Amino acid sequence: KQEVTQIPAALSVPEGENLVLNCSFTDSAIYNLQWFRQDPGKGLTSLLLIQSSQREQTSGRLNASLDKSSGRSTLYIAASQPGDSATYLCAVTGNTPLVFGKGTRLSVIA
Amino acid sequence: DAMVIQNPRYQVTQFGKPVTLSCSQTLNHNVMYWYQQKSSQAPKLLFHYYDKDFNNEADTPDNFQSRRPNTSFCFLDIRSPGLGDAAMYLCATSRNRGETQYFGPGTRLLVL
Repeated sequence: KQEVTQIPAALSVPEGENLVLNCSFTDSAIYNLQWFRQDPGKGLTSLLLIQSSQREQTSGRLNASLDKSSGRSTLYIAASQPGDSATYLCAVTGNTPLVFGKGTRLSVIA
Repeated sequence: DAMVIQNPRYQVTQFGKPVTLSCSQTLNHNVMYWYQQKSSQAPKLLFHYYDKDFNNEADTPDNFQSRRPNTSFCFLDIRSPGLGDAAMYLCATSRNRGETQYFGPGTRLLVL
């Protein structure tokens, strides 16, 4: 059974810092991995999707990497801003449609 | 432009009183999903439709059912809500299985 773990559970950084969020998964037989953002009381917004054959994807200040063999992904956020404050979730698709981690709650302090 | 729409955004029901949550999409996607998310927990897939093909997760309680009358609409029916069913219910769509999922804003259900 696929399990997804995200570390740390919460993170607080000053504005302008670069930061890395971590995601690990137990079953490397995945089709893709997605990173989402969730604001309090809201739905999920897809940030990046990495296919299993890819090693990274970039969108603006965000860069996500995937090492399928070791079961790890990272989300790098450059030059963080207060508007980046949210919960970031990673999720993998394999034999089941989507399995989520519990997320990392990010606070960027102005 | 809203692509995945959920109504209502907030729903209050009584213990044991049936309730229906609604999801619609303007993306013409083949797959629609329903997730349950409790406070500070990961979203948990309840079931999904690939076109008209219904796929129920093994641990989804019998109390939860779904209908997809056409491509655009999907409903979540909770036959006899219990206090433990209070949660955020998220609807999502994807063009095909394994592709990017687009989420609606969610419906927060409160059971009194």
